[in-house]
Amino acid sequence: NAGVTQTPKFRILKIGQSMTLQCTQDMNHNYMYWYRQDPGMGLKLIYYSVGAGITDKGEVPNGYNVSRSTTEDFPLRLELAAPSQTSVYFCASSYSGQSSFYGYTFGSGTRLTVV
Amino acid sequence: QQPVQSPQAVILREGEDAVINCSSSKALYSVHWYRQKHGEAPVFLMILLKGGEQKGHEKISASFNEKKQQSSLYLTASQLSYSGTYFCGTENFGNEKLTFGTGTRLTIIP
Repeated sequence: NAGVTQTPKFRILKIGQSMTLQCTQDMNHNYMYWYRQDPGMGLKLIYYSVGAGITDKGEVPNGYNVSRSTTEDFPLRLELAAPSQTSVYFCASSYSGQSSFYGYTFGSGTRLTVV
Repeated sequence: QQPVQSPQAVILREGEDAVINCSSSKALYSVHWYRQKHGEAPVFLMILLKGGEQKGHEKISASFNEKKQQSSLYLTASQLSYSGTYFCGTENFGNEKLTFGTGTRLTIIP
């Protein structure tokens, strides 16, 4: 049981480049989330999904896109990378949104630097 | 709206107690608590639901004051392993996602 797996762990992008951050979970969780964490700060929600085929914006969605074609996978796409997107990105999953007794399970994160 | 955590940082000696507070301006359905060690992912500690009781395991417990929309995390007889940044995450009614506070950095020294 791997939990939530994120790839890559580290990446350096040049301004204007694009990339996809991969996230997969093997716990059969319906809910999946993408958060970003800037140094010394809390977690900001980018996008989330309540099931395959359903996605919605979070607090800071600009510059990102997501898709959810399967229960297991929830990739995050960065288009035209900007220095402001330098951050650590965490993918998380849970059985449900509210009253999720087991909380969120987080992946180990992707550290992205845009230069 | 982002919940407010206090204090922002605290330094304790091993064996001392700590209280971390989390407050929201909106009615809360639940509060989660997570601990994040440097360079690692946040790890779930516990959840408190509206109408629920104080919860805890070992020497870490938490309470939820629905009237004040506040939650407090209690760490008693702190151990070196308790060091890290503690985040509360709040869920509002009708919302299916957590909003995290800015965190409280806890440092335990021998």
